[in-house]
Parts: sequence; structure tokens; C-alpha cells
Amino acid sequence: QVQLQQWGAGLLKASETLSLTCAVYGGPFSGYYWSWIRQPPGKGLEWIGEIDINTNKNYNPSLKSRVTISVDTSKNQISLKLSSVTAADTAMYYCARQMAAAAFDYWGLGTLVTVSS
Amino acid sequence: QSELTQPPSASGTPGQRVTISCSGSSSNIGSNTVNWYQQFPGTAPKLLIYKINQRPSGVPDRFSGSKSGTSASLAISGLQSEDEADYYCVTWQDGLNGYYVFGPGTKVTVL
Repeated sequence: QVQLQQWGAGLLKASETLSLTCAVYGGPFSGYYWSWIRQPPGKGLEWIGEIDINTNKNYNPSLKSRVTISVDTSKNQISLKLSSVTAADTAMYYCARQMAAAAFDYWGLGTLVTVSS
Repeated sequence: QSELTQPPSASGTPGQRVTISCSGSSSNIGSNTVNWYQQFPGTAPKLLIYKINQRPSGVPDRFSGSKSGTSASLAISGLQSEDEADYYCVTWQDGLNGYYVFGPGTKVTVL
């Protein structure tokens, strides 16, 4: 059974860099795109970006200037960095496996990141 | 402000059929596949429908999807109390820097 375990700092100050990691267990790491998706409290979902094991990446243009997604194939992990955070970046952040275009079939439990001013 | 439009809410009594729409444009739904997610409070979204009308293993067949032109729909037939949740559509937004775009979500209430 595929499991995505994610971790990272949950409380940041404005202007700091958000850093999250997602480890994949119980299934193949190659052959898929891996995405980060976020959800502000009480609001909808926003796709942040994706990466595969060959470091092919796509980012949401609205976040592209501040986002870096990377992959560590030796550990079956992906990472997210979001720089210069503000209160607007306060959200639950999820990592997810993409089995087909926009078809995220396995999700992490989520990491709540709160940005204080 | 999403490029996709969904009604904020929908409701029905047990056993009824409820349909949720997802409207877009020729540069998203009109030229790409659409998927649907179900989300309960405090949990991660669950893939409900992919490639417009395909159900992942374990999803009941009372959930169905369709697409016509620049709009897509999710239908829940035989509505059950456990279907009360938020539902999101998602598709690819075409462009030089394309990206996945989610609809704003629809809250389904079982009366």
C-alpha cells in the first residue's frame, strides 16, 4: 500500500522560507509525477507544482517565482520550498502522487503551515 | 479567483440524484480531461472520477462524470448521507506556462 509521509516546520514568520518533505513508501517512485497542493483554512485547493524522477517540473505561474520543488531518488522523497512567505501562504500543504493528468490517487496527510506576521 | 466555476452548494434528500457542474473555457475544460475529488472535513481529498468518467477502484458506481464542450458534471445518484462532503473539479489550464486548476468546490448537503 502506497503511503506518503510528509513533514516540515508548521510555524513560520513572514519573509521566511517554507520547507516541506514528502517520503514515498510501499510503491514505485519512478513513473509518476509527484505534486504539492495546498488548501488555506476554509478555502479550496490550489496546485503548487509537480516533479518526476527526471526532475521534469511544472509550477503554478502564480507561485513560480517563489517555489522550488526537488526530488531525491535515493530516498524516494520530494521536497517543497516556498520563499518569502506571507500570511496568505497559511494553508494545509499536501503531497500527492499523480497517476494520470490531474489524477492524484495517493495523498499525504497534510502539514498545516501557519505564517505569522 | 478560479478559472473554473462551480456552484457553492448543492443539496438533496437521500435517494435523489444530485448534479454538480464545473464550467470553464476552451483553454481548460474544452481541451483537457477533467477529474473530480471528494473531501471530508479534516481529511485529504479523495480521487472520485478521473479522465472525465472513470472511477478508481472502490468508488461506488453511483458517482459518474461527464463532459460537454467547456463544462463538466459530476452526478451522484441514489444520494446517501455519507456523500455529504465538498467536491472539487480539476483540469489543466493551457498556456505557455500551463498548470492544473481546481474549481472552487461545491458543498453537498444531504437533507
